[in-house]
Amino acid sequence: GENVEQHPSTLSVQEGDSAVIKCTYSDSASNYFPWYKQELGKRPQLIIDIRSNVGEKKDQRIAVTLNKTAKHFSLHITETQPEDSAVYFCAASSNYKLTFGKGTLLTVNP
Amino acid sequence: GAGVSQTPSNKVTEKGKYVELRCDPISGHTALYWYRQSLGQGPEFLIYFQGTGAADDSGLPNDRFFAVRPEGSVSTLKIQRTERGDSAVYLCASSLAGGTNEQFFGPGTRLTVL
Repeated sequence: GENVEQHPSTLSVQEGDSAVIKCTYSDSASNYFPWYKQELGKRPQLIIDIRSNVGEKKDQRIAVTLNKTAKHFSLHITETQPEDSAVYFCAASSNYKLTFGKGTLLTVNP
Repeated sequence: GAGVSQTPSNKVTEKGKYVELRCDPISGHTALYWYRQSLGQGPEFLIYFQGTGAADDSGLPNDRFFAVRPEGSVSTLKIQRTERGDSAVYLCASSLAGGTNEQFFGPGTRLTVL
């Protein structure tokens, strides 16, 4: 089955800096890669996703890149704000089943 | 519109007891999923429903776990003879259809087995 590795497990940045979270996956059949943000005690919420026919996708301060050859994808957050502080999960899927990474705790210090 | 809802939000039970966790998906969503999230981990897939049928239950840990969706809407996750290792947050998600469509998550039920 699919295996998703996520790094780093914790990330602390100053407000206004950029944050990058990286994930690798094992199943070459995976073609859908969503990123979820989960605040403490809350539900995971989709912030951006990318499909395998696209190499990069951007939505305001958030961007995701995908390298299918290397089987890795990354989340980039620019101009970070304190409200970006949360746990971020990457996931990979080839059908309906999402396989998640272990998460990255992002702390944005004001 | 209303998102995915789950009840109860918290459930404390004793080892060996039976529990039921309920999920109300977004209206019109035919696909429904259950995941389990342990502390410090990402959600782990348990089961996927397309309509009323369980299309994939390969993530259920053992035969103490069972889920139903009799009318293709509300789903109930049932755990028999609970064990302390079952303690986790149980998340439900729904999507408009199966396949790689966006999955919308509920707030979860935090299950604690004493």
